[in-house]
Amino acid sequence: QVQLQESGPGLVKPSQTLSLTCTVSGGSISSGSYYWSWIRQPAGKGLEWIGRIYTSGSTNYNPSLKSRVTISVDTSKNQFSLKLSSVTAADTAVYYCARADSGEDAFDIWGQGTMVTVSS
Amino acid sequence: SSELTQDPAVSVALGQTVRITCQGDSLRSYYASWYQQKPGQAPVLVIYGKNNRPSGIPDRFSGSSSGNTASLTITGAQAEDEADYYCNSRDSSGNHQFGGGTKLTVL
Repeated sequence: QVQLQESGPGLVKPSQTLSLTCTVSGGSISSGSYYWSWIRQPAGKGLEWIGRIYTSGSTNYNPSLKSRVTISVDTSKNQFSLKLSSVTAADTAVYYCARADSGEDAFDIWGQGTMVTVSS
Repeated sequence: SSELTQDPAVSVALGQTVRITCQGDSLRSYYASWYQQKPGQAPVLVIYGKNNRPSGIPDRFSGSSSGNTASLTITGAQAEDEADYYCNSRDSSGNHQFGGGTKLTVL
């Protein structure tokens, strides 16, 4: 079955760019009708959708983060990635990658999450 | 962007029925999906679409929708159902939003 795994630095300095990668295993990122999302959760708080990408490269971003977010996909590596620029302490959170069926718009598979701390 | 509103906390006696609600304008056009999250774990999809359960989700979980309100009902709540529950839907632009979450306590 398909599994997702986030990877990237756990510590990022303020004003720098946070970069994470989600590796898809157990299936091709290009198969089926899915899109791939990033979602984050600050400690003790709720979930926040960051954005999504289709394997065609089409993207949607959370309007509140749009100016700082870039999501890309590398189908040859079965990966998709997140870049969040100009980070501050408010971007400290657990970051999840997730898959959604494009017909149901529901996140059926999630990665385990990776903690990213923004601190000097 | 549209918002989804959930009650912060709900409690239910063991074996009783509880309904968790989610309100938002996007729900008039799009179904909500519901996620269960236990401490230290990733969220798990429990309900999607009109009223669909992924494989492995007990049939005591059900969903419904009316107007701008979506509901998750747990019929015969169990101790292991104690968790945070989040609703989610998309809007006409393809953007998603989550509700603030509801902490369910099973007494």
